[in-house]
Amino acid sequence: ETGVTQTPRHLVMGMTNKKSLKCEQHLGHNAMYWYKQSAKKPLELMFVYNFKEQTENNSVPSRFSPECPNSSHLFLHLHTLQPEDSALYLCASSQVDLGGNEQFFGPGTRLTVL
Amino acid sequence: GNSVTQMEGPVTLSEEAFLTINCTYTATGYPSLFWYVQYPGEGLQLLLKATKADDKGSNKGFEATYRKETTSFHLEKGSVQVSDSAVYFCALSETNRDDKIIFGKGTRLHILP
Repeated sequence: ETGVTQTPRHLVMGMTNKKSLKCEQHLGHNAMYWYKQSAKKPLELMFVYNFKEQTENNSVPSRFSPECPNSSHLFLHLHTLQPEDSALYLCASSQVDLGGNEQFFGPGTRLTVL
Repeated sequence: GNSVTQMEGPVTLSEEAFLTINCTYTATGYPSLFWYVQYPGEGLQLLLKATKADDKGSNKGFEATYRKETTSFHLEKGSVQVSDSAVYFCALSETNRDDKIIFGKGTRLHILP
């Protein structure tokens, strides 16, 4: 595997389910991110992990719970979601000790909450 | 904080037309500037970047120049193809935060054959 991978690519869940999204980066980066992309809304940064420390939590509801066990893996645990949480969830990684700090994105998980 | 404003879409052009997508920014300090592209069903990919004033980023026939005097980073391509149909995001790095990028709202581009 190369780059940033995300599983599953598609997920349909009911409001009472618990599920997890997985992201893995194969680039040796030290920062990872979760973004939410909804139709007709700007890209929303949800969480940032820099050297495995969470450095950003943009007022995300507690029904979204991130976990970063090491610098290569990032999870987003989901429980009791709402239909308005249906969106494309994108994971990204970057190397923050270099200039330019470009981020590399995975293909996303398309989440539908029924 | 820093912010990015890019032109509203969708933009519809015929194949081989000239493309400009405008982007302006507000920032303190000296941010890096980026254009990302998102093809249907995929995540965002870095298209090009510039890290200081007057730098020109280029890739796949696309170009953008970091203009500090006009706080702009307009994306241009001389002759677009159907395969360029995608959503384009202008972005900049947050001042004093190496781990954060601010994205514009995106501009959807449709190229007609």
